[in-house]
Amino acid sequence: QQQVKQSPQSLIVQKGGIPIINCAYENTAFDYFPWYQQFPGKGPALLIAIRPDVSEKKEGRFTISFNKSAKQFSLHIMDSQPGDSATYFCAASIADFGNEKLTFGTGTRLTIIP
Amino acid sequence: GAVVSQHPSWVICKSGTSVKIECRSLDFQATTMFWYRQFPKQSLMLMATSNEGSKATYEQGVEKDKFLINHASLTLSTLTVTSAHPEDSSFYICSAGLAKNIQYFGAGTRLSVL
Repeated sequence: QQQVKQSPQSLIVQKGGIPIINCAYENTAFDYFPWYQQFPGKGPALLIAIRPDVSEKKEGRFTISFNKSAKQFSLHIMDSQPGDSATYFCAASIADFGNEKLTFGTGTRLTIIP
Repeated sequence: GAVVSQHPSWVICKSGTSVKIECRSLDFQATTMFWYRQFPKQSLMLMATSNEGSKATYEQGVEKDKFLINHASLTLSTLTVTSAHPEDSSFYICSAGLAKNIQYFGAGTRLSVL
């Protein structure tokens, strides 16, 4: 099964709060889990990514937590700002040279209110 | 960082005409490029995977004669929507593979077919 399930569909958080977006997958062959940020009318931008050999990765205000046994991973945004308001997509792929297709989650529309 | 340029950003055409969209990796060579379609407020749907110098691999349900993909060099892939109809109106996004699993996306092309 190639599906990646993402929740919640939408999220409203006050400035300074910590929005958390969750994803779950079924295919244990997935070995790369990126998060993308997309603003309206723009292409997705790679935010942060993790591979299954680590349980957590931080880059600036963004943290990925990864639970291999539960087949779940999540994105945390520390000290959220109105500029973080965007749609966030989790994804997963298998390392297969020349065919590293990304399977995307359904997206989470995040709104940070001042 | 890796930059992927997509052109045009917006195109309006009459029904029955063909439209070509270009995707270029500006500062790296991409053996593999991907084409996605995105409907409003929805996730990205992979249309096809293209490897330089070979025929594109289309996802199930995507008409290869309708959406022609050419990947003539390591920095350029093109998507041609042939005989476009209003139902082809959508946001088309390309991405280029930089290294194992990692994809960088273009800014997208909004196609409106009248």
